[in-house]
Amino acid sequence: DQQVKQNSPSLSVQEGRISILNCDYTNSMFDYFLWYKKYPAEGPTFLISISSIKDKNEDGRFTVFLNKSAKHLSLHIVPSQPGDSAVYFCAANDPTGANSKLTFGKGITLSVRP
Amino acid sequence: NAGVMQNPRHLVRRRGQEARLRCSPMKGHSHVYWYRQLPEEGLKFMVYLQKENIIDESGMPKERFSAEFPKEGPSILRIQQVVRGDSAAYFCASSPQEPGLYGYTFGSGTRLTVV
Repeated sequence: DQQVKQNSPSLSVQEGRISILNCDYTNSMFDYFLWYKKYPAEGPTFLISISSIKDKNEDGRFTVFLNKSAKHLSLHIVPSQPGDSAVYFCAANDPTGANSKLTFGKGITLSVRP
Repeated sequence: NAGVMQNPRHLVRRRGQEARLRCSPMKGHSHVYWYRQLPEEGLKFMVYLQKENIIDESGMPKERFSAEFPKEGPSILRIQQVVRGDSAAYFCASSPQEPGLYGYTFGSGTRLTVV
């Protein structure tokens, strides 16, 4: 039972245009949502996050939007650059139970064409 | 200020052998997490440890897999009698507290290949 879903496995955009990466979740108890970026042969690196009490968080070229009623979040990258080409993982923090931990989606491979 | 250190980066084992993966968390981080990434899959939680304690092992296969984080030294993920299906990238992550808004810091991973 996948609680964090990234239904599109890949996305290709032109340099300078906007990249929109989507993520859906099923667990209404998630309290934080995070995006990680991963290059081949490296570990994931933290990119940006948002609390469930917010609907938007912006950091430079990266903005994350959260729609709690739809259980949907998205990462916007604008303008996209070739160096943004990587796998992007959506993750959510589950505070319930004895200990919180992050649950990850399958990832989206973003290719930015020069 | 070194990040999360994992070794080895690549590990090749024959079926039936044991694999030992090591992880040294960032300085000051007492929470260690292990994740596995199978081909074409996302990151799957395996186990969460603090010093000398397994906090949550709900993602660990019931047999052949074990983890520890001793008082001294790195965290170890041990896989006994490896099979081809264990071939994957294993990532360790650490944090100073439970993840929350800032998540974890990941290491570069150990790529296990079982031949």
